[in-house]
Amino acid sequence: GAGVSQSPSNKVTEKGKDVELRCDPISGHTALYWYRQSLGQGLEFLIYFQGNSAPDKSGLPSDRFSAERTGGSVSTLTIQRTQQEDSAVYLCASRSGGDNRANVLTFGAGSRLTVL
Amino acid sequence: SQQGEEDPQALSIQEGENATMNCSYKTSINNLQWYRQNSGRGLVHLILIRSNEREKHSGRLRVTLDTSKKSSSLLITASRAADTASYFCATASGGSYIPTFGRGTSLIVHP
Repeated sequence: GAGVSQSPSNKVTEKGKDVELRCDPISGHTALYWYRQSLGQGLEFLIYFQGNSAPDKSGLPSDRFSAERTGGSVSTLTIQRTQQEDSAVYLCASRSGGDNRANVLTFGAGSRLTVL
Repeated sequence: SQQGEEDPQALSIQEGENATMNCSYKTSINNLQWYRQNSGRGLVHLILIRSNEREKHSGRLRVTLDTSKKSSSLLITASRAADTASYFCATASGGSYIPTFGRGTSLIVHP
């Protein structure tokens, strides 16, 4: 697609429920990132996928968080047993691959998660 | 933890004035980037400056980089109301492909 697409744009859920957030990166971009942005805060890195390599999961805050990327394209971020502190905007970004140290990311509009 | 930290946290100016935002970081970097985020939107890349560059221009934007002080500044000249947004710096150090973002500067330009 022309840009990075994320869905849903807004999600309200009850504490304890599971949620799935989807990211459709720019076609041909081999690198995909998930960040989390809490109100008034900067971006917190969650996970990074590059091609067929094992993902860098070093930013995931707990084992309730997981992500997968199927076929090197669409990615799903899953949060199990949601807690109120999970409320945030979840941003996905993609980047063209290769040895590109420039790291210029193209972001989606984000998925705003509210846990009641 | 944040690698880059922007200063000030908030900036309010009149249309036509210049806006200067600063970014400080902690470790050596390959490059530094500035992004803009309009309310309720994702981040949009503005400009990238490499570690061997000292100044870069793009339209009304001027970015400087001082690697000895581990700091960068973003200058927006002749600001417009449409420049109202949050501005973030992002750095990646060593062999990392993961940019680290600061908390941002919230800029309000009054018409």
